[in-house]
Amino acid sequence: DTGVSQNPRHKITKRGQNVTFRCDPISEHNRLYWYRQTLGQGPEFLTYFQNEAQLEKSRLLSDRFSAERPKGSFSTLEIQRTEQGDSAMYLCASSPRGSQTETQYFGPGTRLLVL
Amino acid sequence: AQSVTQPDIHITVSEGASLELRCNYSYGATPYLFWYVQSPGQGLQLLLKYFSGDTLVQGIKGFEAEFKRSQSSFNLRKPSVHWSDAAEYFCALNAGNMLTFGGGTRLMVKP
Repeated sequence: DTGVSQNPRHKITKRGQNVTFRCDPISEHNRLYWYRQTLGQGPEFLTYFQNEAQLEKSRLLSDRFSAERPKGSFSTLEIQRTEQGDSAMYLCASSPRGSQTETQYFGPGTRLLVL
Repeated sequence: AQSVTQPDIHITVSEGASLELRCNYSYGATPYLFWYVQSPGQGLQLLLKYFSGDTLVQGIKGFEAEFKRSQSSFNLRKPSVHWSDAAEYFCALNAGNMLTFGGGTRLMVKP
């Protein structure tokens, strides 16, 4: 068990560019979550997957955001036409089945800076 | 809708002193509550969680938390703080399929 990994750890981009982040959950974890954390705030939920199915999306996830988990293993989060307001830490978490009492295990995050 | 409030944005304590971090929640059903810690450059690490049973729960690193339904609170405590406890602490509630976090409390430890 190597934990949740995220790549890249840091990304600097210019406004208007597209960026893609990757998350590798703990193996055999069916549930995968994406959160966003801005400076001085707690993480906010973006979306989650049960295996390969994306089951819920927050209102924070505008049309410029898209997430996939094609084979129920790793996931990608793409932001198109980035804006300065997208600058944040993007956190991925996974849990075994998705029950409310389960621990969600978090990765180290990808810090995005949009210039 | 559910919410979590951490009233203290910053707390400074001396090493060896006791610590209490406050967390209040708003939720109409049984709350499933968590405390996470985040150190610089690190992901969120679970300290402890409560979902039923004994209202005083023990966690890692000597932390404990007490669930008080009448006060809608889930405060985190530690009897003696170590310099390595300096970090940001988040209280969270699972109301369905995701965690709702408070704004966090940054803990600083004086030598």
